[in-house]
Amino acid sequence: QQQVKQSPQSLIVQKGGISIINCAYENTAFDYFPWYQQFPGKGPALLIAIRPDVSEKKEGRFTISFNKSAKQFSLHIMDSQPGDSATYFCAASRPFYGGATNKLIFGTGTLLAVQP
Amino acid sequence: GAVVSQHPSRVICKSGTSVKIECRSLDFQATTMFWYRQFPKQSLMLMATSNEGSKATYEQGVEKDKFLINHASLTLSTLTVTSAHPEDSSFYICSARLVGTSEKLFFGSGTQLSVL
Repeated sequence: QQQVKQSPQSLIVQKGGISIINCAYENTAFDYFPWYQQFPGKGPALLIAIRPDVSEKKEGRFTISFNKSAKQFSLHIMDSQPGDSATYFCAASRPFYGGATNKLIFGTGTLLAVQP
Repeated sequence: GAVVSQHPSRVICKSGTSVKIECRSLDFQATTMFWYRQFPKQSLMLMATSNEGSKATYEQGVEKDKFLINHASLTLSTLTVTSAHPEDSSFYICSARLVGTSEKLFFGSGTQLSVL
């Protein structure tokens, strides 16, 4: 119930192409779904996040698609660039209530390589 | 954006010594900080949740006497790996939650610990 399943494990995309990474969850109590980007030897950086009340969120070349009924969400990177080559993690957390500590549950990660 | 500074970025130590890792929120106050461990090409594993002024909450399987966490102020949390052994070699990452926000986590740049 606490798991977030992520696929694929690795992805190779040509420059200018679309990168798509998928995640699925089971716990319907999750209400916050962020995506993180991590470069080697660095900590993760928040890329974009979504809540279940919307089906899509777009920020620049990055789009999250959310399917509440299927309990799935995905990250789309449009016009992928070599600089996008990194590991991407999806995550999920439960609502935060005052005084409570909610935890981010991370997916297993996707290593993206964008070829020039 | 909020900045989390983690120090040192890399440490090499002899087996049996203790190592302290600092995590500072530079331009915001963080009532809650999280400590993660990450093995190569794997996801982030939450070790413990640190709340300012109180004892840390450790995840199942994490030895609290091995990994000492102190969160003495709203801007500083420390992780001390006591009597380090080669199996403690890993990438340790801290994150901090901005006071007044619900889920946004800001991550440090990580510390690569190598125990000889």
